Amino acid sequence: AQSVSQHNHHVILSEAASLELGCNYSYGGTVNLFWYVQYPGQHLQLLLKYFSGDPLVKGIKGFEAEFIKSKFSFNLRKPSVQWSDTAEYFCAVMEGFQKLVFGTGTRLLVSP
Amino acid sequence: DTGVSQDPRHKITKRGQNVTFRCDPISEHNRLYWYRQTLGQGPEFLTYFQNEAQLEKSRLLSDRFSAERPKGSFSTLEIQRTEQGDSAMYLCASSSGSSNTGELFFGEGSRLTVL
Repeated sequence: AQSVSQHNHHVILSEAASLELGCNYSYGGTVNLFWYVQYPGQHLQLLLKYFSGDPLVKGIKGFEAEFIKSKFSFNLRKPSVQWSDTAEYFCAVMEGFQKLVFGTGTRLLVSP
Repeated sequence: DTGVSQDPRHKITKRGQNVTFRCDPISEHNRLYWYRQTLGQGPEFLTYFQNEAQLEKSRLLSDRFSAERPKGSFSTLEIQRTEQGDSAMYLCASSSGSSNTGELFFGEGSRLTVL
């Protein structure tokens, strides 16, 4: 079965700093990868996804992620974070037919 | 609001009691999922329905847990003889099988506290 590792459990940044959150999945082949975000008090929502094609995927709110097959990685990036990006971020891989396997999440705190 | 709704949002119960959670998915979605999330962990898959058929169950879903989706619309998750280890956030999600985008739409969850 697939598993997902997120290396940073807590990240604290100042506004305008650059962000990179690590995500690795356990085995290769064809993979569908996702980043979900949970803002304080809100439900999980999709940030971006990779199915095929261009390995650099752009999502909402200026986020992007790069799929590197050789490294089994799908890291999330944002050039300049804002206070409103404070949230918990989850990387996920699809297993089987639409079942998502999630990582443990990274809590991001952006200080103004 | 046309999103996924869950009820109740919070439930406090004593060990040994039974609890039931309800999920109403987005109306045109034929797939429905239950996940469990504990503190410091990501959501863990429990079970999945396509229409009224329960197609997959996790090993996490012990025999005290049962889920139904009798008419292919709303779903219920029942936990019998609750234990303190059942304390968690229970998340419901739905998706459209026809679009196959892989996007799950989550509800806000039902938080269970077992005393």
